[in-house]
Amino acid sequence: EIVLAQSPATLSLSPGERATLSCGASQRVSSSYLAWYQQKPGLAPRLLIYDASSRATGIPDRFRGSGSGTDFTLTISRLEPEDHAVYYCQQYGRSPITFGQGTRLEIK
Amino acid sequence: EVQLVESGGGLVQPGRSLRLSCAASGFTFDDYAMHWVRQAPGKGLEWVSGISWNSGRIEYADSVKGRFTISRDNAKNSLYLQMNSLRAEDTALYYCVKDKVSGMGAFDIWGQGTMVTVSS
Repeated sequence: EIVLAQSPATLSLSPGERATLSCGASQRVSSSYLAWYQQKPGLAPRLLIYDASSRATGIPDRFRGSGSGTDFTLTISRLEPEDHAVYYCQQYGRSPITFGQGTRLEIK
Repeated sequence: EVQLVESGGGLVQPGRSLRLSCAASGFTFDDYAMHWVRQAPGKGLEWVSGISWNSGRIEYADSVKGRFTISRDNAKNSLYLQMNSLRAEDTALYYCVKDKVSGMGAFDIWGQGTMVTVSS
């Protein structure tokens, strides 16, 4: 099983700043089959990024995914209050599909 | 509008069974793989099971293998999860999820979830 470790656990930033979220895999993620999700309180998760760097439909270009192999990053530029959420990475290149434990992003 | 609506959750005693259903609409159901993902109260996301577009590929998390069975009826645009021998640790919000592709890919549409509570 591929274990995904996300860091930091919690990030507290101000509006307008840039957030950098990391996701490290215990094994190489084949074909960069890695996704990022945003989950706001009380809501279902929403797909942000798939295949490591492709934005999902309707996702603003403030959200950028990068990385390959075992190290992946989600960068959120020009933070807005609505970005307050928990962010999860997920690998779907090898079964079982696994998620990271999440990074909580707080907007001051 | 693309929509996934789960049903069948509830309170069940340990060792008993429950069957979850998911009604899909707004897209060509049999073009895509489907999954169940769960989230225990206050915890993160855990993938439970996935099924390819034609049921030719089925996968389970180790935590549910041998107890849960995923299935789909493309004629009814429906996904199911039969859960047997339920345990307290199966307590969670269960999401029905659409894959982006016919095999196993990223999850682009999520339902609102149905709560399963396993307790005596």
